[in-house]
Amino acid sequence: AQSVSQHNHHVILSEAASLELGCNYSYGGTVNLFWYVQYPGQHLQLLLKYFSGDPLVKGIKGFEAEFIKSKFSFNLRKPSVQWSDTAEYFCAVNAGNTGFQKLVFGTGTRLLVSP
Amino acid sequence: DAGVIQSPRHEVTEMGQEVTLRCKPISGHDYLFWYRQTMMRGLELLIYFNNNVPIDDSGMPEDRFSAKMPNASFSTLKIQPSEPRDSAVYFCASSLGLAGAETQYFGPGTRLLVL
Repeated sequence: AQSVSQHNHHVILSEAASLELGCNYSYGGTVNLFWYVQYPGQHLQLLLKYFSGDPLVKGIKGFEAEFIKSKFSFNLRKPSVQWSDTAEYFCAVNAGNTGFQKLVFGTGTRLLVSP
Repeated sequence: DAGVIQSPRHEVTEMGQEVTLRCKPISGHDYLFWYRQTMMRGLELLIYFNNNVPIDDSGMPEDRFSAKMPNASFSTLKIQPSEPRDSAVYFCASSLGLAGAETQYFGPGTRLLVL
């Protein structure tokens, strides 16, 4: 069964620091990849997604993620975080072996940005 | 569009009681998903529907959980009888087309506390 690993459960950064959150998945075939964000007290929102093409994907609010097929990774990055980026971030994968019908989420990374 | 609507937003109940969570997907979406979010297990897919038909309920924890989708605009997740370990945030999400190919839109969630 496919699985998604987010190794950093909690990350604490100061404003203006650079961010990189790791995401690795287990499936070797065709995958679609997502990052969702959950701000405090809110529901999950799509941050960015990768289906095909340029492996460097730009999302909202200055976030980007890079798909590295050889490493089964889809790490999320932001050059300079803001206090408003405090949230929980979820990586999700959808694989061809499920008919692309459902997502598998990682356990999430809680990011706290101190002002 | 109002987005995915869930009710109630908060539910506190006593062990042994029946709990019914409700979801209205985005109009026109043909996939509906129920997720459970806990600190220990993160975001887990419980069940999903396509065109009102349950496709995969392998994530439903046990027989105490049941889900229905009587029409395209309404779904319920029922827990009977409820137990303290069912305390979690339950999210409903919908998408147009295959989940992996299209963005899932999440509702605000129902925060359930079973005493």
